[in-house]
Amino acid sequence: AQSVAQPEDQVNVAEGNPLTVKCTYSVSGNPYLFWYVQYPNRGLQFLLKYITGDNLVKGSYGFEAEFNKSQTSFHLKKPSALVSDSALYFCAVRTSGTYKYIFGTGTRLKVLA
Amino acid sequence: NAGVTQTPKFQVLKTGQSMTLQCAQDMNHEYMSWYRQDPGMGLRLIHYSVGAGITDQGEVPNGYNVSRSTTEDFPLRLLSAAPSQTSVYFCASSYSHPTSGNTDTQYFGPGTRLTVL
Repeated sequence: AQSVAQPEDQVNVAEGNPLTVKCTYSVSGNPYLFWYVQYPNRGLQFLLKYITGDNLVKGSYGFEAEFNKSQTSFHLKKPSALVSDSALYFCAVRTSGTYKYIFGTGTRLKVLA
Repeated sequence: NAGVTQTPKFQVLKTGQSMTLQCAQDMNHEYMSWYRQDPGMGLRLIHYSVGAGITDQGEVPNGYNVSRSTTEDFPLRLLSAAPSQTSVYFCASSYSHPTSGNTDTQYFGPGTRLTVL
């Protein structure tokens, strides 16, 4: 069965410092991996995705993520955090040939001024 | 483009009542889906559709029905509301590859906050 784990409910980071939001996955085939962000009282917005190719994926708002097949991870990173990055972040996975997306439980990122 | 729209934004029901949550998209996306978001649970897939006339169950389908008569619309019906269905509901759509069927980035609506008393 497919699953996604986001081990941290909340991540706190000081503004200007690098941030990492962790995601690990378990699938039986080739994974398609996604990161979404949710601001208060809003729907989810797409940040970035890994389908195939380069393991380092760059996305919106300066975020990037690295696909690590051996560790089955897809951690979200940003070199310098902004207060406006404070939001709820979701990792999601889908395997090739299926239509079902599995989302993690979400990680709340708090960037402190 | 309006993207993905959902109505209503808020709804309060009594146990046993039925209602339909509306979802529409104007991007000509084949793939549409419904999720519910609960604290500590993330998003869980209720039902999805890969095109008009084609629907399938997700992770938590019990108590919900869907149909897809047009590409644009994908309504979610609660047959007999229960307090356990109190949640925030999100509709999403995405492009579906015409040959492989693989779907891509999902676009989400603003959500419907449902309370069942």
